[in-house]
Amino acid sequence: KAGVTQTPRYLIKTRGQQVTLSCSPISGHRSVSWYQQTPGQGLQFLFEYFSETQRNKGNFPGRFSGRQFSNSRSEMNVSTLELGDSALYLCASSSRTTGPYGYTFGSGTRLTVV
Amino acid sequence: DQQVKQNSPSLSVQEGRISILNCDYTNSMFDYFLWYKKYPAEGPTFLISISSIKDKNEDGRFTVFLNKSAKHLSLHIVPSQPGDSAVYFCAGVLGGSARQLTFGSGTQLTVLP
Repeated sequence: KAGVTQTPRYLIKTRGQQVTLSCSPISGHRSVSWYQQTPGQGLQFLFEYFSETQRNKGNFPGRFSGRQFSNSRSEMNVSTLELGDSALYLCASSSRTTGPYGYTFGSGTRLTVV
Repeated sequence: DQQVKQNSPSLSVQEGRISILNCDYTNSMFDYFLWYKKYPAEGPTFLISISSIKDKNEDGRFTVFLNKSAKHLSLHIVPSQPGDSAVYFCAGVLGGSARQLTFGSGTQLTVLP
């Protein structure tokens, strides 16, 4: 079956701009979580969506937002980009029954802010 | 506050020998722990897990040990193979309905042929 698809793979934006990243989960998975990976910081949890509702949110400023559609696809948006937002953004999908054990990660979107 | 720490950013091991990757945590509420492996340009893939009520879990060449009193876990890979070269992340998971993983910063393992 198809894995988690993230688009685009690479993105270069300028400070102050906004960006939208997309994540299509594995078919049948209704939970989508987003993580930010920066060098030396590991993966930091951004938020989790289930059935179009945000269930959990990490410690990130309000410039980071997301949403989930009825087909479980999810988008995250970062407004007023800062240089420190340069990172690999990963999304992971899972089903209700598998929980975090069943997390499948996408390959990520590499965002560079210049 | 880093609840999960991987203090060694890198580790080099000879092929065939044992690799030991370490992870420390501060949150006693973690219900179980996961290890992920990540190659460049790919997402992390699940490797092995351990429940907080266990002290060891084994899967083929991979064994995870948990020392709750020391709040320490380790991943042993025996024997190490060049294909094991990757970044390894440990993560703690809180119980209940929480689906948030708290990751360490990762350890780059290089297995030398």
